[in-house]
Amino acid sequence: EVQLVESGGGLVQPGRSMKLSCAASGFTFSNYGMAWVRQAPKKGLEWVAYISYDGGSTYYRDPVKGRFTISRDNAKSTLYLQMDSLRSEDTATYYCTTGRGGYWGQGVMVTVSS
Amino acid sequence: DIQMTQSPSSLPASLGDRVTITCRASQDIGNYLRWFQQKPGKSPRLMIYGATNLANGVPSRFSGSRSGSDYSLTINSLESEDMAIYYCLQHNEYPWTFGGGTKLELK
Repeated sequence: EVQLVESGGGLVQPGRSMKLSCAASGFTFSNYGMAWVRQAPKKGLEWVAYISYDGGSTYYRDPVKGRFTISRDNAKSTLYLQMDSLRSEDTATYYCTTGRGGYWGQGVMVTVSS
Repeated sequence: DIQMTQSPSSLPASLGDRVTITCRASQDIGNYLRWFQQKPGKSPRLMIYGATNLANGVPSRFSGSRSGSDYSLTINSLESEDMAIYYCLQHNEYPWTFGGGTKLELK
């Protein structure tokens, strides 16, 4: 059974950093591109970033470029999202997904507020 | 960025109805279009991939189609478990973009 389990969310002040993790199991993690998708409270889905199966290629939406970094550790079957210079508009539930949304984690809430 | 214009934003319907939700792409996306279902408090679930292909475990009353730049999700014979918000996603070009969502609710 495919499982994606996010962790690392919580309350953070504007301008500070936070790192999300997503532990994967039930499939060969190193064969799959992975992505982060977020959802602000009561809003729609928003794609954030994508990383290729080997970490060699990464892509971001413009508002997070230069602030967020997606990475992976295939030996640990874990996906990461390093979020720096956080803003209030980054407040959302962050979902880890396999490449194009075949499987989703349960989501982790990130609240950026003073 | 490619804009995905999804309509309607809200769709009241009755059990047993046939309903259709549409996404219009602002540029060519080929068949790189997926549909997701999201129920309250839950993670999204993949329903359709490649514009027309049913994902694993999805009931056959769901179907996807394409006409030019318009992509549609149709649900035949609506059931209570289908009440949810539906989103389309284009993944032809970065940044990937979702439609605004359609809330399917009981009339």
